[in-house]
Amino acid sequence: DTAVSQTPKYLVTQMGNDKSIKCEQNLGHDTMYWYKQDSKKFLKIMFSYNNKELIINETVPNRFSPKSPDKAHLNLHINSLELGDSAVYFCASSRIGSGTGASGYTFGSGTRLTVV
Amino acid sequence: SQKIEQNSEALNIQEGKTATLTCNYTNYSPAYLQWYRQDPGRGPVFLLLIRENEKEKRKERLKVTFDTTLKQSLFHITASQPADSATYLCALVGGIKAAGNKLTFGGGTRVLVKP
Repeated sequence: DTAVSQTPKYLVTQMGNDKSIKCEQNLGHDTMYWYKQDSKKFLKIMFSYNNKELIINETVPNRFSPKSPDKAHLNLHINSLELGDSAVYFCASSRIGSGTGASGYTFGSGTRLTVV
Repeated sequence: SQKIEQNSEALNIQEGKTATLTCNYTNYSPAYLQWYRQDPGRGPVFLLLIRENEKEKRKERLKVTFDTTLKQSLFHITASQPADSATYLCALVGGIKAAGNKLTFGGGTRVLVKP
């Protein structure tokens, strides 16, 4: 199936730990994103990569570090997890040039991160 | 500041009726506006987009209008069905040449279609 897949689906961890979320797309898209959806359901962009190059880096704590080994993968590593990091994190991808909004994004099913 | 506003109150509608959702924006000059559907526990699913020079766009039972003068988009679900129950999100990019263009979402409107 062509899709954006992210793992794990659920992640429960203690404060202070380091964790990673992986994302892969087989759609042939050149641009990938990480979005965060908080408890109020607002979706906010965190990062965007185009062909392995960082092009959007929102005001995100530097404890969050994205890594794109190739244009089909975009992983998110989080250091020193805090309670406020609890949210659902979505990976997405789109065709090149979608920075204009000219094409829709394909989202993964999300990773629900709970920090205790 | 830039804002994308959708009615945060849930829209309850009887099956067979038309659901109409509103998306208003300020301090944007979007070339495109997009609509997504999100079901609980799932990622948003792209439905359709409309260009600034298009007044109306249709896809099956969905219809979107885009009024750049009013800075508003309307999203219609005609002949609504219980399976249409979900949260609907509008999204747009802040201008074609803006550095680091990003797709920004409104807060979404939940639709509940009752049989």
